[in-house]
Amino acid sequence: GAVVSQHPSWVICKSGTSVKIECRSLDFQATTMFWYRQFPKQSLMLMATSNEGSKATYEQGVEKDKFLINHASLTLSTLTVTSAHPEDSSFYICSAWTGGNYGYTFGSGTRLTVV
Amino acid sequence: GDSVTQMEGPVTLSEEAFLTINCTYTATGYPSLFWYVQYPGEGLQLLLKATKADDKGSNKGFEATYRKETTSFHLEKGSVQVSDSAVYFCALSDSSSNTGKLIFGQGTTLQVKP
Repeated sequence: GAVVSQHPSWVICKSGTSVKIECRSLDFQATTMFWYRQFPKQSLMLMATSNEGSKATYEQGVEKDKFLINHASLTLSTLTVTSAHPEDSSFYICSAWTGGNYGYTFGSGTRLTVV
Repeated sequence: GDSVTQMEGPVTLSEEAFLTINCTYTATGYPSLFWYVQYPGEGLQLLLKATKADDKGSNKGFEATYRKETTSFHLEKGSVQVSDSAVYFCALSDSSSNTGKLIFGQGTTLQVKP
């Protein structure tokens, strides 16, 4: 139990285009999901906290107009990187609080490469 | 704010060696502490956790004890295997808010050679 499915696992896009990343909770309802960004050989940096039915809370320094987060249902949160540029290339990971023994469950991540 | 500091890597060990990865934290409240493991190209998997002082988390031969007096949560394993090669992250749940977000250390890469 407590599986978070993240898609796509990797994507290559052209500079200036937008990319949507989906994060789904498969066997539980996720009221809150988190979006992280990981640079090569570095730690995970929290980008935003996504709450179902309300606006996401962004961390300081994260452009909310560039990284659009939607959490329209209890099982789906999406991150859209708008007008992507090469500096947006990174590994993006979502997670959800599942409680109990599982705690935070993470998606498998999305490798975004902007060319 | 809350923070986590891990020992720098990479840590290179021979198979069956003893492993210690140091982790210390700073928190204003009483956070829960976690160790996550990340294999190449994958997301994070929970390795173990501890929710209060003196708790010991353990899993797959790894263990860590929540030490409030030294604000530490060091990861140990008595005999590592090649398959343990991965990046290990120490993390705490943010005690300053109700959002439940995690704060991660910088990660420590472990390389185990046969």
